[in-house]
Amino acid sequence: NAGVTQTPKFQVLKTGQSMTLQCAQDMNHEYMSWYRQDPGMGLRLIHYSVGAGITDQGEVPNGYNVSRSTTEDFPLRLLSAAPSQTSVYFCASSRDGPKRNVLTFGAGSRLTVL
Amino acid sequence: ELKVEQNPLFLSMQEGKNYTIYCNYSTTSDRLYWYRQDPGKSLESLFVLLSNGAVKQEGRLMASLDTKARLSTLHITAAVHDLSATYFCAVTVSGTYKYIFGTGTRLKVLA
Repeated sequence: NAGVTQTPKFQVLKTGQSMTLQCAQDMNHEYMSWYRQDPGMGLRLIHYSVGAGITDQGEVPNGYNVSRSTTEDFPLRLLSAAPSQTSVYFCASSRDGPKRNVLTFGAGSRLTVL
Repeated sequence: ELKVEQNPLFLSMQEGKNYTIYCNYSTTSDRLYWYRQDPGKSLESLFVLLSNGAVKQEGRLMASLDTKARLSTLHITAAVHDLSATYFCAVTVSGTYKYIFGTGTRLKVLA
């Protein structure tokens, strides 16, 4: 059982480049979410999804897009990377939302924007 | 807007000592969670607290919840080096699926 898989683990981008962070889970979880972790700021919610075709914004959505075409996948897109998006990104999922279940986290993706 | 604050942000303590981490949140919440993160690693769940007065314990860690005060505590008893990690509390915003984390408490237990 792979759990939550994130790729890539590390990425360096130049300002203005675009990229997609991939997240896949094999637990048939309805709820998936993206967080960014910055020193001294904890984890901040970027976007989340409660099922295929349904997404919503979190605390810090600007500069990021998401889609949820399948239950398994929830990619995070940076359309035009900025140095302020340098961070560690975590994908997390739960069976039917945080009201009932704890989140299972991926290993994280470290992004540096030069 | 829901805010979740933890204190202290950093904690250095000697083995064998007791200490408490505090988690305050600003609005009504459905659930409170505690997570642990080892350096360079992902987060793993420790406790889920579901109602006022809830108490959960595992090993040297005990978590409690006071929903009236909007306060949760994570108490460490007779700390050991293996407990060195960053601890996060998190709450869900009532009526939403937003899951908001605190700033984290970085704990270092000195031998």
